[in-house]
Amino acid sequence: GNSVTQMEGPVTLSEEAFLTINCTYTATGYPSLFWYVQYPGEGLQLLLKATKADDKGSNKGFEATYRKETTSFHLEKGSVQVSDSAVYFCALSDKDTGRRALTFGSGTRLQVQP
Amino acid sequence: EADIYQTPRYLVIGTGKKITLECSQTMGHDKMYWYQQDPGMELHLIHYSYGVNSTEKGDLSSESTVSRIRTEHFPLTLESARPSHTSQYLCASRSGYNEQFFGPGTRLTVL
Repeated sequence: GNSVTQMEGPVTLSEEAFLTINCTYTATGYPSLFWYVQYPGEGLQLLLKATKADDKGSNKGFEATYRKETTSFHLEKGSVQVSDSAVYFCALSDKDTGRRALTFGSGTRLQVQP
Repeated sequence: EADIYQTPRYLVIGTGKKITLECSQTMGHDKMYWYQQDPGMELHLIHYSYGVNSTEKGDLSSESTVSRIRTEHFPLTLESARPSHTSQYLCASRSGYNEQFFGPGTRLTVL
């Protein structure tokens, strides 16, 4: 079955530091890949996505590249801000099944200190 | 503005009560989903719907039930709540571009 593995948190960084959150996946076929962000007390917001190999998703300074050869979709940001503190979820959607529900990683909590 | 809504946002109830968590979306999406988020943050699919009068169980076994009588409405019901049902419940709908949009969630506590 499908699965997503992402690095455990919490990840604690100082403002303006470089961020990497690792994400690898196991899936049949060629899934679509997503990063979602969850701020305290809220639902999930789509941060970025990639639908095929070598696609790069980007939004609000965050980037992730779909690497089929390493089955990875690592999230990066060059300079984090305190407002980036949240929980980040890597997810995949299997395009080969009709329901196309998301399979999530376990989430990584990011804490950015001023 | 197109959006997805969940009510209530927070609910504290006693064991044995019947509850319904509401979810509505104004985006006209056919596919909708319910996810359960445990305190450790992991999310698991518990129900999904392809469209009106179509519902299926998800990957995580749940004692809840759902209905889909209207495209925009996908309520979840627990006939008799128990402390093990304490969790956050997230509703989502999916666009034709394979993006899922989430509501703000309902945090349920069963005493």
